Amino acid sequence: GAVVSQHPSRVICKSGTSVKIECRSLDFQATTMFWYRQFPKKSLMLMATSNEGSKATYEQGVEKDKFLINHASLTLSTLTVTSAHPEDSSFYICSVHRSGSSYNEQFFGPGTRLTVL
Amino acid sequence: LAKTTQPISMDSYEGQEVNITCSHNNIATNDYITWYQQFPSQGPRFIIQGYKTKVTNEVASLFIPADRKSSTLSLPRVSLSDTAVYYCLVGDMNTGFQKLVFGTGTRLLVSP
Repeated sequence: GAVVSQHPSRVICKSGTSVKIECRSLDFQATTMFWYRQFPKKSLMLMATSNEGSKATYEQGVEKDKFLINHASLTLSTLTVTSAHPEDSSFYICSVHRSGSSYNEQFFGPGTRLTVL
Repeated sequence: LAKTTQPISMDSYEGQEVNITCSHNNIATNDYITWYQQFPSQGPRFIIQGYKTKVTNEVASLFIPADRKSSTLSLPRVSLSDTAVYYCLVGDMNTGFQKLVFGTGTRLLVSP
């Protein structure tokens, strides 16, 4: 299956700082990537759809100025949590969609654990 | 997107067969059913996908009745390493199944 990486895997920051999380599709080009957030013992919640070369599409209730998404190339999407606060502490996961094979499936990254002090 | 309902949790023992049922009463004609597995602090991993009847791969089977309003993920002879959360999702294959909406998932605990 496709390989998706995220960097960093874990980050701790002070309240008020900005944190950038990278998501890379390592073995195929992805025009669309997705960003999810997951709180402890909860399900994944889709935050936004990252579109290469255009603006991201945000889900209802997700602040686009708070969570900046840049998809500058076909293999890289970044999520920047601006002016992070403790309530932004969560597990952030990206995914890429791949079609054309026997299945349509999404491949998920390993996730990034953000802790805001 | 069709909403799914699964049991919150299930318990099993090593070597047993585990069946997790998912309800999706308003599944659309073009929707496929996909199951993902997630271990703690990891991203979900694709397990199996199907449209109707039965699908089997090296790790699981997926049973889908004729009305497609439910589906059952079957894990044969589970081991401790199968302890994870299992998510059932439905989506339109024609639109690329891109926008995934995760339900609560089923937390499976396998004990010795």
